[in-house]
Amino acid sequence: DVKVTQSSRYLVKRTGEKVFLECVQDMDHENMFWYRQDPGLGLRLIYFSYDVKMKEKGDIPEGYSVSREKKERFSLILESASTNQTSMYLCASTPHSAQGNSPLHFGNGTRLTVT
Amino acid sequence: AQSVSQHNHHVILSEAASLELGCNYSYGGTVNLFWYVQYPGQHLQLLLKYFSGDPLVKGIKGFEAEFIKSKFSFNLRKPSVQWSDTAEYFCAVNARNSGGYQKVTFGTGTKLQVIP
Repeated sequence: DVKVTQSSRYLVKRTGEKVFLECVQDMDHENMFWYRQDPGLGLRLIYFSYDVKMKEKGDIPEGYSVSREKKERFSLILESASTNQTSMYLCASTPHSAQGNSPLHFGNGTRLTVT
Repeated sequence: AQSVSQHNHHVILSEAASLELGCNYSYGGTVNLFWYVQYPGQHLQLLLKYFSGDPLVKGIKGFEAEFIKSKFSFNLRKPSVQWSDTAEYFCAVNARNSGGYQKVTFGTGTKLQVIP
């Protein structure tokens, strides 16, 4: 069974801090994604990566960056955390599929609070 | 750009009632469509998916969805809901973005509350 592990379940950070959210998957998936989930807004795509060292902006990349140095690990970085980045962050992975029909496998999420 | 609309934000049903959750998407090309479910305190998991063939697809726990291409819709249905179906349901579209890479876009979700 695919396992997507997010390093922290809960995080509390101060405004202006640099924050790292880590995600590891154990199924050799090519594609990895970072979403944030907010009530009434659903899941919004921040960044995704389709290969090591490759990244693509999602719908709301402002204030975030990512790193993918190894295939199994995809990190989300908040360069200078702000209160409007308080949210649930979800990591997901999926294998490459020419048809695009592979479902996403999600981690349990990291609930980040910025004070 | 692709987008997904879920018009029902919060649905309350009694057990045994029938369920239909709406999902409409906007994208001109080939899409793959998904419904995910998030039970309270759990991570998102796949309910069902459509990518080709029979437009009526069946998923886990008695759920089904119908893809109607002319209406850009992929509505989720269940004939008789149970209290254990209380969860949040998300519709999602996987389509290629302008760079040729597959991008998954979600709707805003529908919270279903089933009353025993």
